[in-house]
Amino acid sequence: AQSVTQLGSHVSVSEGALVLLRCNYSSSVPPYLFWYVQYPNQGLQLLLKYTSAATLVKGINDFEAEFKKSETSFHLTKPSAHMSDAAEYFCAVSSMDSSYKLIFGSGTRLLVRP
Amino acid sequence: SAVISQKPSRDICQRGTSLTIQCQVDSQVTMMFWYRQQPGQSLTLIATANQGSEATYESGFVIDKFPISRPNLTFSTLTVSNMSPEDSSIYLCSYRREGLTDTQYFGPGTRLTVL
Repeated sequence: AQSVTQLGSHVSVSEGALVLLRCNYSSSVPPYLFWYVQYPNQGLQLLLKYTSAATLVKGINDFEAEFKKSETSFHLTKPSAHMSDAAEYFCAVSSMDSSYKLIFGSGTRLLVRP
Repeated sequence: SAVISQKPSRDICQRGTSLTIQCQVDSQVTMMFWYRQQPGQSLTLIATANQGSEATYESGFVIDKFPISRPNLTFSTLTVSNMSPEDSSIYLCSYRREGLTDTQYFGPGTRLTVL
């Protein structure tokens, strides 16, 4: 069965610093992986997705993630944090069966210090 | 991607009552999903709603508590029945965009507080 682990429930960075949010997955088959962002009092917005094409995936707002099969990881990065990036970030893996369910990680809250 | 909306955006309800949440997509989609996000938690799938068939519930969720309707390919409702304070959560609907990526897109959520 597919599962996702997000290391660090809270990550704090200074404005302009590198953002690194960690996600490790467990899957019996090559997975589809997603990063979503949830701003305060809003729904989930898709940041980017991996679907077995390129291993380095670029998303919105200068976010990107690299799929590393050997490490079963799909970490999210951004070169320079903005105050507006403060939000909750969720990594998710597709069930890869006919249910098409998404299995979510526990989430990481990103805090950006001025 | 299609536009997805939910109503109401938030509500405060008394225990023992029921609330129906509506989810509307501006184009036809096969699969819609309902999630619960308890305070400070991640998302948990409640059920999958397919048009023309009964909803498929996840372990721990039952139809009597969370009845779902899917009358057509653009609309679904979730009812939270006989509410208790433990039902206070954000309820989100999503739809599956079919194709190679099987991506889900989410509505803005309904923030429910039960007193």
